[in-house]
Amino acid sequence: QKEVEQDPGPLSVPEGAIVSLNCTYSNSAFQYFMWYRQYSRKGPELLMYTYSSGNKEDGRFTAQVDKSSKYISLFIRDSQPSDSATYLCAMKAGGGNKLTFGTGTQLKVEL
Amino acid sequence: SAVISQKPSRDICQRGTSLTIQCQVDSQVTMMFWYRQQPGQSLTLIATANQGSEATYESGFVIDKFPISRPNLTFSTLTVSNMSPEDSSIYLCSVGLADNEQFFGPGTRLTVL
Repeated sequence: QKEVEQDPGPLSVPEGAIVSLNCTYSNSAFQYFMWYRQYSRKGPELLMYTYSSGNKEDGRFTAQVDKSSKYISLFIRDSQPSDSATYLCAMKAGGGNKLTFGTGTQLKVEL
Repeated sequence: SAVISQKPSRDICQRGTSLTIQCQVDSQVTMMFWYRQQPGQSLTLIATANQGSEATYESGFVIDKFPISRPNLTFSTLTVSNMSPEDSSIYLCSVGLADNEQFFGPGTRLTVL
């Protein structure tokens, strides 16, 4: 079993839709949770970063962490074609530097 | 954040040869990392590049295959040695900042024939 599970998609939604992206994990030592966006042929770009449980909002993006369920989510409101990319979740244990990634979910927002 | 550049951006190499990938950061950073991104697989940490000492390798990666240099706080290289087609992948460097955030370079796309 992988430490981090993420549905690879592809996920196709119409412009303006609310998108929900999710990851589950098995390692209870993870305390830092990140979402990266990766456009084709580019490096991953840090979108959201949260510590422990709770919600964090930044513009159209909301990250949620539920440590009791070992489940994290990224919500994108009013999705735009420019949001079309692969979204990677990543996690890190406290006191370490190693990021453990999901495989990424490919999102396509259609006009 | 940090601005990170990598060279080359892509390369096609023959089996048995070696390729050195460079990573340059626009500011001094303590932590630099090298990752591999294979098709359909998760980004995987190869090693942490330590300035002034040997790199720290993750399980499954060895120095003979992936030698790393870190001569100063803004630069690192990763060499992929004695390449085989299985080494075809995207190689990414990243830097860690004080608030635990990691930022990635644009990647080097390697194809081994």
